[in-house]
Amino acid sequence: NAGVMQNPRHLVRRRGQEARLRCSPMKGHSHVYWYRQLPEEGLKFMVYLQKENIIDESGMPKERFSAEFPKEGPSILRIQQVVRGDSAAYFCASSPADRAYEQYFGPGTRLTVT
Amino acid sequence: DAKTTQPPSMDCAEGRAANLPCNHSTISGNEYVYWYRQIHSQGPQYIIHGLKNNETNEMASLIITEDRKSSTLILPHATLRDTAVYYCIVRGNTPLVFGKGTRLSVIA
Repeated sequence: NAGVMQNPRHLVRRRGQEARLRCSPMKGHSHVYWYRQLPEEGLKFMVYLQKENIIDESGMPKERFSAEFPKEGPSILRIQQVVRGDSAAYFCASSPADRAYEQYFGPGTRLTVT
Repeated sequence: DAKTTQPPSMDCAEGRAANLPCNHSTISGNEYVYWYRQIHSQGPQYIIHGLKNNETNEMASLIITEDRKSSTLILPHATLRDTAVYYCIVRGNTPLVFGKGTRLSVIA
């Protein structure tokens, strides 16, 4: 898990609020991936981004979820109008451009929706 | 991407080698075999990957059969800290797909 930073580590939101999860990739990594892990389940891919571009969002729910990776600053996963079913651990990973599938994961953000 | 099959759980005595098998009989010629592990509540950790040759790094060895239909991850001297879920992933050009993996318990 060297180098990928995620914050906050724990986030509590009430139903209907917005959740913003941040991910700073390892130095030199230009690719970012977001995964979700529901309690007692495996990791599910959500979205793959490069700087200012969404490359693959096939795992993103169609509504309420969005992601960005701006030219400057961290990648943001945004969940609008959260519901209890959004409670999960959200992991970010990064990789170098020339080894895109050698991914290094952050410690995750645990989102709890009350 | 090819589907993988792993045993749901394994035990290993501390200090012994842990050999984790993975079947991937439908693997294509350009698909790599990747291994990750997830220690409880932490983010997954990349271990090793290979195409057709055996690979070794500071963490583990990866043995891929000649027909590439199966592989084995070897942790040469398992410690209690190696207790984790180990994922074998075969991928081409799509994102990583994590299955259920093998839950390895290293026992003192």
